[in-house]
Amino acid sequence: GQQLNQSPQSMFIQEGEDVSMNCTSSSIFNTWLWYKQDPGEGPVLLIALYKAGELTSNGRLTAQFGITRKDSFLNISASIPSDVGIYFCAGYNNNDMRFGAGTRLTVKP
Amino acid sequence: SAVISQKPSRDICQRGTSLTIQCQVDSQVTMMFWYRQQPGQSLTLIATANQGSEATYESGFVIDKFPISRPNLTFSTLTVSNMSPEDSSIYLCSVGLAGVPDTQYFGPGTRLTVL
Repeated sequence: GQQLNQSPQSMFIQEGEDVSMNCTSSSIFNTWLWYKQDPGEGPVLLIALYKAGELTSNGRLTAQFGITRKDSFLNISASIPSDVGIYFCAGYNNNDMRFGAGTRLTVKP
Repeated sequence: SAVISQKPSRDICQRGTSLTIQCQVDSQVTMMFWYRQQPGQSLTLIATANQGSEATYESGFVIDKFPISRPNLTFSTLTVSNMSPEDSSIYLCSVGLAGVPDTQYFGPGTRLTVL
C-alpha cells in the first residue's frame, strides 16, 4: 500500500528557532498536504501543494512538493509557543488521502 | 470551510458493547470518511461513507465490526461493535468535495475508551 515515512518523530526546540520536517513515500502522489493537530481536536489543513517542485508559503510556514512527487517538506520559521502540536503530512490521489505518522513539536519558551 | 460536529465527544464503554458515533456537517458534501487514530499514532482510514449505499471499507476493516450509515449528504454514523480494549482510539469524521483535497476537513473526534 501507499506508505508515508515522516521524520522526525518528535522535536524539542527553543522559541524562535526554525523547524524542518519531511515526508517520503515509495509511491507518487498528485497532491501533498500538511496538517496540524492540537490536543483534543481534529487535524487542520496548513498547506496544500499541487505541482512537483512547487514551493508554497503560509505565513511562517513554507512547504515544498518534491520534484519526484514522492516527498515533501515543511519548514516553520521563528517558532512560537502556539506552534506546539502534531504535524502530519498527507499524500492524495483520487479521493484517497494517506497520512504520515506525525511529528510532535514541543516549543520551549 | 465546513463545520463538523461529532457526538459523543468521548465515552467509556464496557467490553462487548457497541457505540454509535454521529457526524453532522453544516453543508452538503460529496465525500464523508471515517478515520481511526490510536494513541500517539497517525490517522488510518476505516471507510468511505457513501450516500444511499454500502460504505467502502479499507483493508483490515469490515462492515460487521464497523457498520456505517449515510442517509443524506450531511450526516453519517459509525458503529463500533462488540468492543474490546483494542478499539480504544479517537474516531474522526472527515468530509470533503470529490477530487478537491484541500476541502477535506476533520471533525473534533470521539475519544473512545473500552474497559
